[in-house]
Amino acid sequence: NAGVTQTPKFRVLKTGQSMTLLCAQDMNHEYMYWYRQDPGMGLRLIHYSVGEGTTAKGEVPDGYNVSRLKKQNFLLGLESAAPSQTSVYFCAIQGSGSGAEQYFGPGTRLTVT
Amino acid sequence: AQKVTQAQTEISVVEKEDVTLDCVYETRDTTYYLFWYKQPPSGELVFLIRRNSFDEQNEISGRYSWNFQKSTSSFNFTITASQVVDSAVYFCALSEAGTGGFKTIFGAGTRLFVKA
Repeated sequence: NAGVTQTPKFRVLKTGQSMTLLCAQDMNHEYMYWYRQDPGMGLRLIHYSVGEGTTAKGEVPDGYNVSRLKKQNFLLGLESAAPSQTSVYFCAIQGSGSGAEQYFGPGTRLTVT
Repeated sequence: AQKVTQAQTEISVVEKEDVTLDCVYETRDTTYYLFWYKQPPSGELVFLIRRNSFDEQNEISGRYSWNFQKSTSSFNFTITASQVVDSAVYFCALSEAGTGGFKTIFGAGTRLFVKA
């Protein structure tokens, strides 16, 4: 979808384990986002980046860290996974300009036991 | 604070029926953007339409139409002559220019079932 890929597609973690989700784009867009989707709650913003080397907190940042060392990649880290982080994670990209639409990756389904 | 409400959690219709998905938003910004996204059973999220706050013209794209009314803070989505392939979760979303357009708030979504 608009050149956004996510790795991995599925993952099962045990409580306390760590992992990194990778989002990669080939659209050269400045803005990148990480959302989580939970039943009945829509999409909630975890962290976002408005350019290489910059990151900012979204609505539900606790328990996650991010990095944007390269423009095309946005990494989401879970240092110590908790069952409450069981969710589907979506990465999105957005072109510059206020109000541009977002294009989403295929999602990563994460289960923490 | 910005907020998007999709009061209809699930809607079930029979093929060829018309269906309207409601979206009500709250914002203090005078410049903002509204969106609809579709999430079919396969799980990907697909952009459908964007509207800015200065453009209240309704839009029609094939069987899809959108009605934007600032007076009621609503941005409703109508599917005419629904088809089974329209079965999906539909999300309404809002982005405020005051946040630099960086933060988009999504509604909880409306799950549409279209039965053959």
